[in-house]
Amino acid sequence: NAGVTQTPKFQVLKTGQSMTLQCAQDMNHEYMSWYRQDPGMGLRLIHYSVGAGITDQGEVPNGYNVSRSTTEDFPLRLLSAAPSQTSVYFCASSYSRGTDNEQFFGPGTRLTVL
Amino acid sequence: DAKTTQPPSMDCAEGRAANLPCNHSTISGNEYVYWYRQIHSQGPQYIIHGLKNNETNEMASLIITEDRKSSTLILPHATLRDTAVYYCIVSLRYAGNMLTFGGGTRLMVKP
Repeated sequence: NAGVTQTPKFQVLKTGQSMTLQCAQDMNHEYMSWYRQDPGMGLRLIHYSVGAGITDQGEVPNGYNVSRSTTEDFPLRLLSAAPSQTSVYFCASSYSRGTDNEQFFGPGTRLTVL
Repeated sequence: DAKTTQPPSMDCAEGRAANLPCNHSTISGNEYVYWYRQIHSQGPQYIIHGLKNNETNEMASLIITEDRKSSTLILPHATLRDTAVYYCIVSLRYAGNMLTFGGGTRLMVKP
């Protein structure tokens, strides 16, 4: 299994540009989520999904959209990039309800907005 | 979710036990204590979790006080590769209850 994969690894955007961060998992996990990590800080939840077709907002959802059309994929869209969105973005997945809450994290996407 | 308090940094000598404390005085009866770590800038890695009994796995041991208001993660023989930020998180057990990360403890293992 590849686990949780994220692309791209690095990205530089200009203010106002849009882009999609990709996340995929091959473990048949129902739960997937997106976090951001600013320098020297802990992770903060952006959006999460409890299954295909179901998404919800986390702590810091503004400026981001998500969709979950398949179990495997959970892309994160930046609608109009701003310098405040410069951060490292981590995707995570976990097993379905009824099992322990061990989350598996991807390697991250490092985003810089100029 | 209950909040946690951890020291911002700790040092440990290589080969010695690393004891990382965590306070979670507002934990509720059905919340578990989870520990994750983040090595350099990689994605966080699950270490261990527990409810009220002490737990041990191949990576670490978790000691939870009887009143459940605090816990200690123990790395029995720390190596340089254990240098990382360690996060103590209180959460409901079942998947889907998203994790709330605090600042964590930066553990530096020194030769």
